[in-house]
Amino acid sequence: NAGVMQNPRHLVRRRGQEARLRCSPMKGHSHVYWYRQLPEEGLKFMVYLQKENIIDESGMPKERFSAEFPKEGPSILRIQQVVRGDSAAYFCASSPPVSPGYEQYFGPGTRLTVT
Amino acid sequence: TQLLEQSPQFLSIQEGENLTVYCNSSSVFSSLQWYRQEPGEGPVLLVTVVTGGEVKKLKRLTFQFGDARKDSSLHITAAQPGDTGLYLCAGAGGGSSNTGKLIFGQGTTLQVKP
Repeated sequence: NAGVMQNPRHLVRRRGQEARLRCSPMKGHSHVYWYRQLPEEGLKFMVYLQKENIIDESGMPKERFSAEFPKEGPSILRIQQVVRGDSAAYFCASSPPVSPGYEQYFGPGTRLTVT
Repeated sequence: TQLLEQSPQFLSIQEGENLTVYCNSSSVFSSLQWYRQEPGEGPVLLVTVVTGGEVKKLKRLTFQFGDARKDSSLHITAAQPGDTGLYLCAGAGGGSSNTGKLIFGQGTTLQVKP
């Protein structure tokens, strides 16, 4: 019974390159959330998706960041033209279709380093 | 802006001692989650509290949700070195938000010395 899976676990990109982070939710879960954890800061919400729909992107930076959760395949968080300030741990969480307490289960994260 | 203030930020105690971590907000939340995070890993869900005044126990850990659903506490009895880690509280459904996104506290780093 696999949990939330994220890959890669570590990603190094040079300034200006693109970063693609993948998230496969737990089996049976149709809601995906992305969070960012900057060094010495807490977890911050970025975006909430259901299959083929963005429900809430109020935490996403206006430029360079995008997210999708296609009908088939993992959810993707895409960062274009990365800058040093994008270096952080990015976590994906998933929850089942009916989650009375909004229980979210987190993956191990992708640690992005921009050089 | 919804905020969750967590205190204390750091706690270093001896094995066998008791401790309480607090999570406070001016916003009402539909539910509140407690997570534990190890270095280099994602947060692991410990408990969810939903009803005002609710108390849940998980072995030596006791979680309480305030009557007004604005605050919560985590109490650990007879702490052990294996309890060392970062403890996070997170609220869902606060304010005008009903999308389920979590608002996290800054976390409490607990160190239990043998």
